[in-house]
Amino acid sequence: DAGITQSPRHKVTETGTPVTLRCHQTENHRYMYWYRQDPGHGLRLIHYSYGVKDTDKGEVSDGYSVSRSKTEDFLLTLESATSSQTSVYFCAISETQGGNTIYFGEGSWLTVV
Amino acid sequence: QKEVEQDPGPLSVPEGAIVSLNCTYSNSAFQYFMWYRQYSRKGPELLMYTYSSGNKEDGRFTAQVDKSSKYISLFIRDSQPSDSATYLCAMKPGSTDKLIFGTGTRLQVFP
Repeated sequence: DAGITQSPRHKVTETGTPVTLRCHQTENHRYMYWYRQDPGHGLRLIHYSYGVKDTDKGEVSDGYSVSRSKTEDFLLTLESATSSQTSVYFCAISETQGGNTIYFGEGSWLTVV
Repeated sequence: QKEVEQDPGPLSVPEGAIVSLNCTYSNSAFQYFMWYRQYSRKGPELLMYTYSSGNKEDGRFTAQVDKSSKYISLFIRDSQPSDSATYLCAMKPGSTDKLIFGTGTRLQVFP
């Protein structure tokens, strides 16, 4: 298994509160990604990073921000959680640009009530 | 219309059957094609990765790409109950960072 640890694995939070999900990797891969997975939509890219302090938006980035201060850590923050952000969040890593081989973490289940 | 279409299933087959899983796509720029397997409440696991057209075989799994028809397939031979999972196709053009996923097909293999 790729060395990816997501935390927390499960969280219930209230609408309007900020939430931070953490992804930690031990593979020293340069590229890191945050996806969300919802029924009927599949996996959708939120944000990705191609190096320390280098990030870019994916297709569903509104309401989310990211930070990467170290190679091994990629944080996803929901600035003010809404019920539409209830989802499963997956972190992924890739050694190469373009991500031909992307490896996923185990997921973080977030419920916004 | 979604860029990648995948039948959600479920597809239910007896142990030992040959399984065919498929995706269609609309973007002719897609060049890299992947299949992921996802067990319940787990992260997706990369099964196969193919560049451009043609076939690729790995054990009981064969990935097939037909770019002229914009159609990809994953075949599983001698299916096992442990193959029961959701199978996701994914694809992207060139060397971009943005994989586009299908919604997944749920496969059930019964003994």
